[in-house]
Amino acid sequence: AQSVTQLGSHVSVSEGALVLLRCNYSSSVPPYLFWYVQYPNQGLQLLLKYTTGATLVKGINGFEAEFKKSETSFHLTKPSAHMSDAAEYFCAAGGFGNEKLTFGTGTRLTIIP
Amino acid sequence: DTAVSQTPKYLVTQMGNDKSIKCEQNLGHDTMYWYKQDSKKFLKIMFSYNNKELIINETVPNRFSPKSPDKAHLNLHINSLELGDSAVYFCASSRVGNAADTQYFGPGTRLTVL
Repeated sequence: AQSVTQLGSHVSVSEGALVLLRCNYSSSVPPYLFWYVQYPNQGLQLLLKYTTGATLVKGINGFEAEFKKSETSFHLTKPSAHMSDAAEYFCAAGGFGNEKLTFGTGTRLTIIP
Repeated sequence: DTAVSQTPKYLVTQMGNDKSIKCEQNLGHDTMYWYKQDSKKFLKIMFSYNNKELIINETVPNRFSPKSPDKAHLNLHINSLELGDSAVYFCASSRVGNAADTQYFGPGTRLTVL
């Protein structure tokens, strides 16, 4: 079965430090890949996605992610964390032969002042 | 204008009751979804409708019945509520419903079954 794995259910970084949230997928066929962010008591909002083309994808709020087929990864990065980045982040993948998205279990990002 | 809206935002009810959650999108999208997010934040799709037709129907108890009166609305009715139904339910929509589409989520409905 297809799956999406997010390493680290909780990540803490200092304000101004690099943010790295990890996501790996299991599929022999490169899927479509997404990062969504969920702020407290809100719905999910798309940060960025990879479908085809350039493997380095830039999203909103200074985030970017790189699709690496050889590593089956789609890690999310931001050079300098801001307090407003504190949220839950979900990696998701689709295109596994059906039209649904498979979500990872989420990573809670905490920013230390 | 809210793109995807859900009502109510909070729902507290007793075991055995029947309740409904409503969802509306004003994005002109063809596809709508219901997701369940459990207490550990795990998000799982329940149903998907495309132009009022059921497309995805995951292994959900038949106490859950979605209804789509038109492509802008997807409601979720739950019969005989159980403690394990307590969760946050999210509605979402996408333009055409293929796997590459961006999904737009509503703010969620927090259901608590006592």
